[in-house]
Amino acid sequence: GAGVSQSPRYKVAKRGQDVALRCDPISGHVSLFWYQQALGQGPEFLTYFQNEAQLDKSGLPSDRFFAERPEGSVSTLKIQRTQQEDSAVYLCASSVTSGDYNEQFFGPGTRLTVL
Amino acid sequence: AQSVTQPDIHITVSEGASLELRCNYSYGATPYLFWYVQSPGQGLQLLLKYFSGDTLVQGIKGFEAEFKRSQSSFNLRKPSVHWSDAAEYFCAVGFSGGYNKLIFGAGTRLAVHP
Repeated sequence: GAGVSQSPRYKVAKRGQDVALRCDPISGHVSLFWYQQALGQGPEFLTYFQNEAQLDKSGLPSDRFFAERPEGSVSTLKIQRTQQEDSAVYLCASSVTSGDYNEQFFGPGTRLTVL
Repeated sequence: AQSVTQPDIHITVSEGASLELRCNYSYGATPYLFWYVQSPGQGLQLLLKYFSGDTLVQGIKGFEAEFKRSQSSFNLRKPSVHWSDAAEYFCAVGFSGGYNKLIFGAGTRLAVHP
């Protein structure tokens, strides 16, 4: 199979709950990105991993957001104490290597709704 | 700061008509430019990309785009639209820093009338 997969596809959380969103990149892909897509908007960069190293987390909106990729493959985006403004689609993308020319392959996203 | 503007939020065309989706960017250096398409419930799919060289680039599904440095534009075109092209289209700039962080426009939603 092999595309990027994400789970769950849909998540409903009550305000204040913690959530964890999973991304399975294409096997062997070095680079992994997380983006947040609010309703009616384009995706916005959250964070970037090269293998297990988180090299850029400049887009994480607050310290409630945390991402990890401990073994350089699967990644988890965790949001603590969710707020209504966290409602969005969270997209994961991977690319075969680092570098500016590489195509990013996107997963279908996880739609998070915070009530 | 880098930014991407897609002036048209929503466009409707008839099947078989030509299409042009506009994209303007703001970037301090030579940009890496991309067009993605997003269908409902699907991930973003790359249509085409521009890095350098020929300013007219061909992509998948019969799409093409032209880079115009003087106008800071990268408009997407298709000569004859099919009903299956109905989707949301995003223009993006790749932020050159060794790992191609993408900055997206807000998107243009395309509807196709039969």
